[in-house]
Amino acid sequence: KAGVTQTPRYLIKTRGQQVTLSCSPISGHRSVSWYQQTPGQGLQFLFEYFSETQRNKGNFPGRFSGRQFSNSRSEMNVSTLELGDSALYLCASSLGQENGEQYFGPGTRLTVT
Amino acid sequence: AQSVTQLGSHVSVSEGALVLLRCNYSSSVPPYLFWYVQYPNQGLQLLLKYTTGATLVKGINGFEAEFKKSETSFHLTKPSAHMSDAAEYFCAVISGGGYNKLIFGAGTRLAVHP
Repeated sequence: KAGVTQTPRYLIKTRGQQVTLSCSPISGHRSVSWYQQTPGQGLQFLFEYFSETQRNKGNFPGRFSGRQFSNSRSEMNVSTLELGDSALYLCASSLGQENGEQYFGPGTRLTVT
Repeated sequence: AQSVTQLGSHVSVSEGALVLLRCNYSSSVPPYLFWYVQYPNQGLQLLLKYTTGATLVKGINGFEAEFKKSETSFHLTKPSAHMSDAAEYFCAVISGGGYNKLIFGAGTRLAVHP
Protein backbone atom coordinates (compact mmCIF):
# COMPACT_ATOMS: atom_id res chain seq x y z
CA LYS A 1 0.00 0.00 0.00
CA ALA A 2 1.43 3.38 -0.98
CA GLY A 3 2.27 5.82 1.80
CA VAL A 4 1.31 9.44 2.24
CA THR A 5 2.54 11.63 -0.59
CA GLN A 6 3.09 15.37 -0.52
CA THR A 7 3.75 17.70 -3.40
CA PRO A 8 5.83 19.62 -4.02
CA ARG A 9 8.71 18.54 -1.81
CA TYR A 10 10.46 21.91 -1.97
CA LEU A 11 9.12 25.37 -2.64
CA ILE A 12 10.58 28.87 -2.65
CA LYS A 13 8.23 31.83 -2.50
CA THR A 14 8.47 35.57 -1.95
CA ARG A 15 6.87 37.51 0.88
CA GLY A 16 3.30 38.49 0.08
CA GLN A 17 2.70 35.60 -2.32
CA GLN A 18 0.40 32.70 -1.63
CA VAL A 19 1.11 28.99 -1.80
CA THR A 20 -0.86 25.76 -2.06
CA LEU A 21 0.48 22.45 -0.77
CA SER A 22 -1.03 19.08 -1.59
CA CYS A 23 -1.34 15.85 0.37
CA SER A 24 -2.59 12.45 -0.81
CA PRO A 25 -3.43 10.13 2.09
CA ILE A 26 -3.07 6.37 2.28
CA SER A 27 -5.81 4.62 0.37
CA GLY A 28 -8.85 4.13 2.59
CA HIS A 29 -7.86 6.84 5.07
CA ARG A 30 -10.46 9.56 5.53
CA SER A 31 -8.61 11.91 7.87
CA VAL A 32 -5.82 14.29 6.93
CA SER A 33 -4.03 16.47 9.47
CA TRP A 34 -1.49 19.21 8.80
CA TYR A 35 1.45 20.23 10.98
CA GLN A 36 4.06 22.95 10.78
CA GLN A 37 7.61 22.18 11.91
CA THR A 38 10.11 24.95 12.63
CA PRO A 39 13.34 25.02 14.66
CA GLY A 40 11.92 27.63 17.01
CA GLN A 41 8.37 26.42 17.58
CA GLY A 42 8.77 22.71 16.92
CA LEU A 43 5.82 20.69 15.63
CA GLN A 44 2.51 22.51 15.74
CA PHE A 45 -0.92 21.30 14.70
CA LEU A 46 -2.60 23.35 11.98
CA PHE A 47 -5.90 21.58 11.27
CA GLU A 48 -7.55 18.25 10.55
CA TYR A 49 -10.04 17.33 7.88
CA PHE A 50 -12.31 14.31 7.98
CA SER A 51 -14.81 13.50 5.24
CA GLU A 52 -14.33 16.95 3.66
CA THR A 53 -15.07 18.78 6.94
CA GLN A 54 -12.64 20.57 9.21
CA ARG A 55 -12.86 18.69 12.48
CA ASN A 56 -10.14 20.38 14.49
CA LYS A 57 -8.10 23.54 14.26
CA GLY A 58 -4.89 24.80 15.83
CA ASN A 59 -3.90 28.33 16.79
CA PHE A 60 -2.82 29.76 13.47
CA PRO A 61 -3.98 32.95 11.77
CA GLY A 62 -6.65 32.89 9.11
CA ARG A 63 -3.99 33.13 6.40
CA PHE A 64 -3.66 29.38 6.84
CA SER A 65 -6.55 27.45 5.37
CA GLY A 66 -7.23 24.01 4.03
CA ARG A 67 -9.73 21.80 2.33
CA GLN A 68 -10.37 18.18 1.62
CA PHE A 69 -11.79 16.64 -1.50
CA SER A 70 -14.18 13.73 -1.88
CA ASN A 71 -11.25 11.38 -2.61
CA SER A 72 -9.71 12.44 0.76
CA ARG A 73 -6.87 14.34 -0.85
CA SER A 74 -6.19 17.57 0.97
CA GLU A 75 -4.68 20.94 0.20
CA MET A 76 -3.51 23.68 2.48
CA ASN A 77 -3.14 27.27 1.43
CA VAL A 78 -1.13 30.06 2.96
CA SER A 79 -1.90 33.55 1.76
CA THR A 80 0.21 36.70 2.13
CA LEU A 81 3.33 34.77 3.00
CA GLU A 82 5.62 36.03 5.75
CA LEU A 83 9.25 35.15 6.40
CA GLY A 84 8.14 33.29 9.52
CA ASP A 85 6.09 30.89 7.43
CA SER A 86 9.30 29.21 6.30
CA ALA A 87 8.95 25.69 7.64
CA LEU A 88 8.52 22.01 6.91
CA TYR A 89 4.82 21.31 6.43
CA LEU A 90 3.83 17.76 7.22
CA CYS A 91 0.59 16.03 6.55
CA ALA A 92 -0.59 12.88 8.26
CA SER A 93 -3.36 10.50 7.36
CA SER A 94 -5.40 8.12 9.43
CA LEU A 95 -8.61 6.14 9.33
CA GLY A 96 -10.18 8.92 11.36
CA GLN A 97 -11.26 7.20 14.54
CA GLU A 98 -10.51 9.06 17.72
CA ASN A 99 -6.90 8.76 18.84
CA GLY A 100 -5.94 6.54 15.96
CA GLU A 101 -2.53 6.09 14.48
CA GLN A 102 -1.36 8.77 12.09
CA TYR A 103 1.01 8.18 9.20
CA PHE A 104 3.11 11.08 8.05
CA GLY A 105 4.27 12.12 4.63
CA PRO A 106 7.80 13.33 3.85
CA GLY A 107 6.77 16.98 4.08
CA THR A 108 7.00 20.07 1.92
CA ARG A 109 9.90 22.39 2.70
CA LEU A 110 8.68 25.97 2.17
CA THR A 111 11.19 28.80 2.08
CA VAL A 112 9.90 32.38 2.04
CA THR A 113 12.37 35.05 0.92
CA ALA B 1 -4.55 21.80 28.42
CA GLN B 2 -2.40 18.80 27.71
CA SER B 3 1.36 19.16 27.24
CA VAL B 4 4.49 17.10 26.83
CA THR B 5 7.98 17.72 28.17
CA GLN B 6 11.00 15.90 26.83
CA LEU B 7 14.00 16.09 29.13
CA GLY B 8 17.23 16.56 27.23
CA SER B 9 17.32 18.03 23.76
CA HIS B 10 20.42 15.98 22.94
CA VAL B 11 21.36 12.50 24.12
CA SER B 12 24.56 10.72 23.15
CA VAL B 13 25.20 7.00 23.65
CA SER B 14 27.73 4.45 22.50
CA GLU B 15 26.74 1.70 20.11
CA GLY B 16 25.41 -1.22 22.17
CA ALA B 17 24.53 0.93 25.17
CA LEU B 18 21.08 1.45 26.65
CA VAL B 19 18.97 4.18 25.12
CA LEU B 20 16.70 6.12 27.48
CA LEU B 21 14.70 9.09 26.22
CA ARG B 22 12.52 10.83 28.77
CA CYS B 23 8.99 12.11 28.31
CA ASN B 24 6.58 13.54 30.88
CA TYR B 25 3.05 14.55 30.09
CA SER B 26 0.41 16.73 31.62
CA SER B 27 -3.17 15.66 31.23
CA SER B 28 -6.39 15.99 33.18
CA VAL B 29 -7.86 12.96 31.46
CA PRO B 30 -6.40 9.57 30.56
CA PRO B 31 -3.93 10.34 27.79
CA TYR B 32 -3.12 8.68 24.53
CA LEU B 33 0.65 8.78 24.12
CA PHE B 34 2.91 8.27 21.13
CA TRP B 35 6.58 8.16 20.22
CA TYR B 36 7.64 9.17 16.71
CA VAL B 37 11.08 9.16 15.08
CA GLN B 38 12.28 11.53 12.38
CA TYR B 39 15.31 10.83 10.22
CA PRO B 40 16.97 13.71 8.37
CA ASN B 41 14.89 15.13 5.54
CA GLN B 42 12.03 12.75 6.23
CA GLY B 43 8.62 12.80 7.84
CA LEU B 44 7.70 11.21 11.15
CA GLN B 45 7.48 7.47 11.66
CA LEU B 46 5.35 6.00 14.45
CA LEU B 47 7.45 3.92 16.86
CA LEU B 48 4.75 2.96 19.34
CA LYS B 49 1.58 4.16 21.03
CA TYR B 50 -0.18 3.79 24.36
CA THR B 51 -3.96 3.92 24.47
CA THR B 52 -5.28 1.69 27.25
CA GLY B 53 -4.42 -1.65 28.75
CA ALA B 54 -0.88 -2.94 29.21
CA THR B 55 1.44 -0.24 30.46
CA LEU B 56 4.55 -1.65 28.76
CA VAL B 57 4.27 -0.99 25.07
CA LYS B 58 6.53 -2.60 22.50
CA GLY B 59 7.23 -0.84 19.26
CA ILE B 60 9.26 -1.23 16.12
CA ASN B 61 13.04 -1.49 15.86
CA GLY B 62 13.38 -2.90 19.39
CA PHE B 63 12.01 0.17 21.18
CA GLU B 64 9.58 0.03 24.06
CA ALA B 65 8.01 2.49 26.47
CA GLU B 66 6.36 2.20 29.85
CA PHE B 67 3.35 4.25 30.86
CA LYS B 68 3.59 5.28 34.53
CA LYS B 69 0.53 7.18 35.64
CA SER B 70 1.90 7.95 39.11
CA GLU B 71 4.95 9.64 37.55
CA THR B 72 3.08 11.01 34.48
CA SER B 73 5.89 9.56 32.39
CA PHE B 74 6.23 7.63 29.15
CA HIS B 75 9.97 7.08 28.73
CA LEU B 76 11.32 5.38 25.60
CA THR B 77 14.00 2.70 25.92
CA LYS B 78 16.04 0.35 23.79
CA PRO B 79 18.43 -2.15 25.38
CA SER B 80 21.19 -1.84 22.79
CA ALA B 81 21.72 1.18 20.54
CA HIS B 82 22.55 0.79 16.89
CA MET B 83 24.13 3.38 14.64
CA SER B 84 20.94 3.47 12.60
CA ASP B 85 19.02 4.71 15.67
CA ALA B 86 20.58 8.16 15.30
CA ALA B 87 17.63 10.46 14.65
CA GLU B 88 15.28 12.87 16.39
CA TYR B 89 12.60 11.42 18.63
CA PHE B 90 9.31 13.07 19.52
CA CYS B 91 6.89 12.23 22.30
CA ALA B 92 3.29 13.28 21.65
CA VAL B 93 -0.11 13.25 23.33
CA ILE B 94 -3.58 13.52 21.92
CA SER B 95 -5.16 16.67 23.24
CA GLY B 96 -8.45 16.91 25.05
CA GLY B 97 -11.11 16.92 22.40
CA GLY B 98 -9.51 13.89 20.87
CA TYR B 99 -9.23 12.80 17.31
CA ASN B 100 -5.92 13.52 15.65
CA LYS B 101 -4.68 16.73 17.23
CA LEU B 102 -1.24 15.63 18.39
CA ILE B 103 0.60 17.82 20.88
CA PHE B 104 4.34 17.22 20.49
CA GLY B 105 7.29 17.63 22.80
CA ALA B 106 10.29 19.62 21.65
CA GLY B 107 12.15 16.51 20.56
CA THR B 108 15.35 14.73 21.58
CA ARG B 109 18.18 14.28 19.13
CA LEU B 110 19.90 10.95 19.66
CA ALA B 111 23.53 10.51 18.61
CA VAL B 112 25.09 7.04 18.56
CA HIS B 113 28.88 6.76 18.64
CA PRO B 114 30.93 3.71 17.61
